[in-house]
Amino acid sequence: GAVVSQHPSWVICKSGTSVKIECRSLDFQATTMFWYRQFPKQSLMLMATSNEGSKATYEQGVEKDKFLINHASLTLSTLTVTSAHPEDSSFYICSTEKGLAGGFTENEQFFGPGTRLTVL
Amino acid sequence: GESVGLHLPTLSVQEGDNSIINCAYSNSASDYFIWYKQESGKGPQFIIDIRSNMDKRQGQRVTVLLNKTVKHLSLQIAATQPGDSAVYFCAENSGGSNYKLTFGKGTLLTVNP
Repeated sequence: GAVVSQHPSWVICKSGTSVKIECRSLDFQATTMFWYRQFPKQSLMLMATSNEGSKATYEQGVEKDKFLINHASLTLSTLTVTSAHPEDSSFYICSTEKGLAGGFTENEQFFGPGTRLTVL
Repeated sequence: GESVGLHLPTLSVQEGDNSIINCAYSNSASDYFIWYKQESGKGPQFIIDIRSNMDKRQGQRVTVLLNKTVKHLSLQIAATQPGDSAVYFCAENSGGSNYKLTFGKGTLLTVNP
């Protein structure tokens, strides 16, 4: 399977600060990346879809000005949690789709290992 | 959106037994389904997938069954091992220009030695 990395794997920050999480596709070009959030004992909830070179598409209820997504290259997407508060503490997971010739992508998504964010 | 409860359904089995994990999906237009395994503190790991034109697919020790009539998926794990202990999620994709996944609530599988 494909390799997707996230950095950092965990971060603790003070309330009001901003935190950037990186998602890298290490062995293929990721045309599309997805960002999920997972609270303890709950399922993954899609936050946004980012496409390389264009603006991210946010799911209903997700504040685009608070969760900034940048997908400037085919191997890197970043999620910045701005002015973080304790309620933003969660497990953030990215996934990527494998880009194929002709602009198509494979169905299968490859998930990163996740980033645990704790806001004090 | 789908509501998510605070308590995961749980399934406890003995090592060597077969496990069956069930999932009800929400969108009748979904045409692609995946089972993921998630260990504590890690990202989801692909187990097996199935398209809507099939009703059964087998992998190594795992089988996925799809019943579109009642919008139901199941994952069968044969000869369950302690290493199978994890949370298992089903996910559905309704197609379209991007393949957004909607995850089910998850089931915590505990395998007792």
